[in-house]
Amino acid sequence: GIQVEQSPPDLILQEGANSTLRCNFSDSVNNLQWFHQNPWGQLINLFYIPSGTKQNGRLSATTVATERYSLLYISSSQTTDSGVYFCAVSYQKKSSGDKLTFGTGTRLAVRP
Amino acid sequence: GAGVSQSPSNKVTEKGKDVELRCDPISGHTALYWYRQSLGQGLEFLIYFQGNSAPDKSGLPSDRFSAERTGGSVSTLTIQRTQQEDSAVYLCASRADRGRWETQYFGPGTRLLVL
Repeated sequence: GIQVEQSPPDLILQEGANSTLRCNFSDSVNNLQWFHQNPWGQLINLFYIPSGTKQNGRLSATTVATERYSLLYISSSQTTDSGVYFCAVSYQKKSSGDKLTFGTGTRLAVRP
Repeated sequence: GAGVSQSPSNKVTEKGKDVELRCDPISGHTALYWYRQSLGQGLEFLIYFQGNSAPDKSGLPSDRFSAERTGGSVSTLTIQRTQQEDSAVYLCASRADRGRWETQYFGPGTRLLVL
């Protein structure tokens, strides 16, 4: 199956700083999603981005499918950005569903 | 509109008992997934339902786990003879099917503790 690696595993930022989270995957994908898991455990959709670049406020993401990686950018970080960020991918064939394979996540702590 | 809902939020049970976890997907979503998040294994796929097709059960860890989806909507995940290693957060997700790849939306999860 597809392997997903995320880096760094842990990140501590001062409020206001910028950061880049990386997701590498081992095979072609047709679904890539970034999630933020908040302290209550809820997985919140950030981006659906199998290719290209998207922006949503202080967050943006870029996926370079041909090179098998995706980047999540957080600018002007806030304490509410703390939590775990997951990258998840799938490759759907006719014979199987688009079940997501998750990375191990990046744990972000933003200090006031 | 309403998101994916799951019940119960928390469940504590004794080893050997059966448990049922419920998922209500977003209205109109034809695809439904169960995942599990545990300390040792991270987030892992369990089972996938798509319309009237046979479910993809390839992620179920043992035959003690089963799931059904009634009327193409609500789904129930059943764990028989629970073991301590079944302790985890069980997450349900649903997705629309509009002929192209779509985002999966996750519910808040059921936290299961097996004593």
